[in-house]
Amino acid sequence: QVQLQESGPGLVKPSQTLSLTCTVSGGSISSGGYYWSWIRQHPGKGLEWIGYIYYSGSTYYNPSLKSRVTISVDTSKNQFSLKLSSVTAADTAVYYCARATTAMVTFDYWGQGTLVTVSS
Amino acid sequence: QSALTQPASVSGSPGQSITISCTGTSSDVGGYNYVSWYQQHPGKAPKLMIYEVSNRPSGVPDRFSGSKSGNTASLTISGLQAEDEADYYCSSYTSSSTVVFGGGTKLTVL
Repeated sequence: QVQLQESGPGLVKPSQTLSLTCTVSGGSISSGGYYWSWIRQHPGKGLEWIGYIYYSGSTYYNPSLKSRVTISVDTSKNQFSLKLSSVTAADTAVYYCARATTAMVTFDYWGQGTLVTVSS
Repeated sequence: QSALTQPASVSGSPGQSITISCTGTSSDVGGYNYVSWYQQHPGKAPKLMIYEVSNRPSGVPDRFSGSKSGNTASLTISGLQAEDEADYYCSSYTSSSTVVFGGGTKLTVL
């Protein structure tokens, strides 16, 4: 059974960089065939796709966030990470990591989500 | 990229059927058979209910079904049960190799 777990600071100051890590267990990121993803949900709002990474390092980002987002992978630790720069209060959200299969839109396993608040 | 369009809310009585629509464009929903549906209960992570328009993952009841016509995908829940009350989101692959979600639909079981 694949499990994903987000970790990182729950509070980030405006203009700083939000950094989160997703640790995958029960399966290897480097086995291929899956896209490792970040998705966020603003309080009381809908889901917003941030981007994903393939084990080879290929990345795809939401055009609206592309200039501020970096997703990376560490296959030795079976982890992938999200960095979102120059954050504002509008980046306050629950951040989920998830695994995507075919065509990158079938998110079959999700982390529990972590709330990140941007505030001074 | 614009979010897919879903009704804000739908409701139905136990045992009834409801359908939630998800409208996009020819660059997303209409262009690919890569539409998924997710169920989200309050405070929980979303759960995959339908993938590739009409396929159900193992463990999802056959009361849940999906379809697509043109630029609109639909999720139908038959034999509504109290535990079906949740938010539902559609998602689609896009021509830009990205993913777009719908705004979400709140299902109320009366």
